Amino acid sequence: EVQLVESGGGLVQPGGSLRLSCAASGFTFSNYWMHWVRHAPGKGLIWVSRINSDGSSTTYADSVKGRFTISRDNAKNMLYLQMNSLRAEDTAVYYCARRNVVAAGIVSGFDPWGRGTLVTVSS
Amino acid sequence: DIVMTQSPDSLAVSLGERATINCKSSQSVLYSSNNKNYLTWYQQKPGQPPKLLIYWASTRESGVPDRFSGSGSGTDFTLTISNLQAEDVAVYYCQQCYSAPFTFGQGTKLEIK
Repeated sequence: EVQLVESGGGLVQPGGSLRLSCAASGFTFSNYWMHWVRHAPGKGLIWVSRINSDGSSTTYADSVKGRFTISRDNAKNMLYLQMNSLRAEDTAVYYCARRNVVAAGIVSGFDPWGRGTLVTVSS
Repeated sequence: DIVMTQSPDSLAVSLGERATINCKSSQSVLYSSNNKNYLTWYQQKPGQPPKLLIYWASTRESGVPDRFSGSGSGTDFTLTISNLQAEDVAVYYCQQCYSAPFTFGQGTKLEIK
């Protein structure tokens, strides 16, 4: 079964740091680009970051650029999000998701998604 | 950045009736090299992660009931749910996978009337 499981969320003070992890199983992790998406309480889904299959290329939303770092360890089938200088507005459930490709390697969307890990930034 | 705008923000439909959700992108998400619209629809139920329903604007993901259908091209898209069932209560999001940042619409909350 294809599965993604996030961990590492919790309560952190403004200005603090947190590292999220996402454990992948059931597929060849090293073949897929991966993403982080967040969902703030009462708000919509916000794309955060992506990393290509070998980790050589990353992209970030403007709101987290310079504060968050996405990385991966293909030997361990793990995806990470290092979050520094956290702000109250970073409070959200953070999901990792796989960039899915179908026929001829064309992107279809994000699938599957993990169940998410809650990050709360508050004093 | 491509801005995705959904309408309406919320919708109440009777069981067995049809629900229609619209999504508009601020620029075309049609990829000319393969003629695919990089527009994806997701369903999110409370306490669950989003579930991919439809990709390339109109292709149903495997296992998704055929009462869900998508249409549109370029900048204007529609998700239609026919014969609404109680289990379809959820928030529905469109997303463009054309270019980073991979923006989502604000979501449409679907309820039973």
